[in-house]
Amino acid sequence: EDQVTQSPEALRLQEGESSSLNCSYTVSGLRGLFWYRQDPGKGPEFLFTLYSAGEEKEKERLKATLTKKESFLHITAPKPEDSATYLCAVQPMFSGGYNKLIFGAGTRLAVHP
Amino acid sequence: DAGITQSPRYKITETGRQVTLMCHQTWSHSYMFWYRQDLGHGLRLIYYSAAADITDKGEVPDGYVVSRSKTENFPLTLESATRSQTSVYFCASSRSSGGPVADTQYFGPGTRLTVL
Repeated sequence: EDQVTQSPEALRLQEGESSSLNCSYTVSGLRGLFWYRQDPGKGPEFLFTLYSAGEEKEKERLKATLTKKESFLHITAPKPEDSATYLCAVQPMFSGGYNKLIFGAGTRLAVHP
Repeated sequence: DAGITQSPRYKITETGRQVTLMCHQTWSHSYMFWYRQDLGHGLRLIYYSAAADITDKGEVPDGYVVSRSKTENFPLTLESATRSQTSVYFCASSRSSGGPVADTQYFGPGTRLTVL
């Protein structure tokens, strides 16, 4: 069964304290792995797509990496405005004809000054 | 550049009433999706549509009806609302499903629905 597990559920950081969020996945062939950011009361906002093991993508203080079993979202020197819930989703290679996404439950990140 | 919009943003209704949530996208994306987001469950797919007049069930379709007469609109109807349908509903769209490359889904702002 295709599955996505994110850890930790919640993370509290001090401003400037770097850390990583984990996304472990089980899927029968990976078409892509997505990271989204979700602010309270808003819809998920697309951040990155990773396609194959070894791939890395960066955006400002965020860097996403991918292995065959998991992805990490590294946050370097975070600021309070990075506080949000970060969602990971996988798209299986065999999706029954549509770009199905399987979401993890998310990691709630709080960055304090 | 409106992107994808949802209305209403907030809705309170009573058990047994019919409710329709609207979704509109301006990108001419082929695919549209409806998700619900609940604590402890993450985002779960209710229905999706590959094109106008083509719809199919997702993971949790019971109690919901969809239609898609125009590419840009994808309304979700709760025919007889129940308390278990209290949730936040998100609409999403993507360009296509073809080929080996993953297609990004873009989400609307959500509708918070409360069923009393």
